[in-house]
Amino acid sequence: AQSVTQLDSHVSVSEGTPVLLRCNYSSSYSPSLFWYVQHPNKGLQLLLKYTSAATLVKGINGFEAEFKKSETSFHLTKPSAHMSDAAEYFCVVSSARGANNLFFGTGTRLTVIP
Amino acid sequence: DAGVTQSPTHLIKTRGQQVTLRCSPKSGHDTVSWYQQALGQGPQFIFQYYEEEERQRGNFPDRFSGHQFPNYSSELNVNALLLGDSALYLCASSLRLAGIYEQYFGPGTRLTVT
Repeated sequence: AQSVTQLDSHVSVSEGTPVLLRCNYSSSYSPSLFWYVQHPNKGLQLLLKYTSAATLVKGINGFEAEFKKSETSFHLTKPSAHMSDAAEYFCVVSSARGANNLFFGTGTRLTVIP
Repeated sequence: DAGVTQSPTHLIKTRGQQVTLRCSPKSGHDTVSWYQQALGQGPQFIFQYYEEEERQRGNFPDRFSGHQFPNYSSELNVNALLLGDSALYLCASSLRLAGIYEQYFGPGTRLTVT
């Protein structure tokens, strides 16, 4: 079975400071992992994806995530938060290799303080 | 190039009624997946359609059914509505190529059951 655990339901950072959103996964095989962002009243947008290539994955808007098999983690980071980063972030694992349905975490709400 | 579109945007129904939600995939995509996102939760996979057939299904009762048309658009039908069916219903489309499938999400339909 596949699942993800987002360790923080809410993270608050000051503008210009680093962002860290934590995610641990559980999978019976080598997983495909994703981070999606959801702004209010907007659809989910893919930030980045890990597909068993490089363990450090770069995404859009300066975000990146590192796949650590030994720690079963896939934390999302950004060096400097921007006001526009305030949103809900979801860590996601695919159900099987090449499968097309996704298992979402419960989300982390990021607040950016001016 | 239009992304994934969904209609209607909002819907209010009464318990016991039936509802139909519609989705048009991103141009060039052939696979449509449906997700339910309850308030404060991550999206949960309902089912997926490809080549006009249901290919995968999550843990949802038979009251939830769907259809895919030859033009790849899709409908989600929910019968005998319950208060607990109130949620944001998300449609995602993708292209069934080998490897990892990147899903593009629509803005969702907000269903309220009273």
